[in-house]
Amino acid sequence: AQSVTQLGSHVSVSEGALVLLRCNYSSSVPPYLFWYVQYPNQGLQLLLKYTSAATLVKGINGFEAEFKKSETSFHLTKPSAHMSDAAEYFCAVSGLQGGSEKLVFGKGMKLTVNP
Amino acid sequence: NAGVTQTPKFRILKIGQSMTLQCTQDMNHNYMYWYRQDPGMGLKLIYYSVGAGITDKGEVPNGYNVSRSTTEDFPLRLELAAPSQTSVYFCAEGAVSNQPQHFGDGTRLSIL
Repeated sequence: AQSVTQLGSHVSVSEGALVLLRCNYSSSVPPYLFWYVQYPNQGLQLLLKYTSAATLVKGINGFEAEFKKSETSFHLTKPSAHMSDAAEYFCAVSGLQGGSEKLVFGKGMKLTVNP
Repeated sequence: NAGVTQTPKFRILKIGQSMTLQCTQDMNHNYMYWYRQDPGMGLKLIYYSVGAGITDKGEVPNGYNVSRSTTEDFPLRLELAAPSQTSVYFCAEGAVSNQPQHFGDGTRLSIL
């Protein structure tokens, strides 16, 4: 069965600093991987997705993620944090489970951006 | 959040009351899902549906029921509300493995 691990629950960076949010996955088949963002009191929005077309995936708002099969990782990065990036970020893996498509989410990582 | 509408946005229930959370999608996709989100726990799948008339349990189905009479609608029913069901509930829709799921804005439910 597929699963994802997001170590830690909270990360704090200064405005302009690098953002690095880690995600490791477990999957017995080639995975489809996603990063979602949730702003306060809102639903989840797709940031980017990996579907095996390219290992470096670019998403919205300057975020990107690199799929590394050897490390079973799909870390999310942004070169320069902006105050508006403060939100909770979820990594997810999709695949067939029990005969149907399901997303399995990590526990989330709350990003704080300090001025 | 294009295509998925949830109502109500907020609700307070008393223990033992019942209610239905509504979810409607206009993208004509077969797959629909209900999740609950609790602080620090990510999202847990409650129920899902692969098409009209077909539903199945997810990871945390106890205390909930669903129906799928049409492609568009996927209501979630709480029959006897309990404090443990205080949570934020999200409905989502999706198609196949490499398509992202679109989420509604959520229903924030408190049971007192």
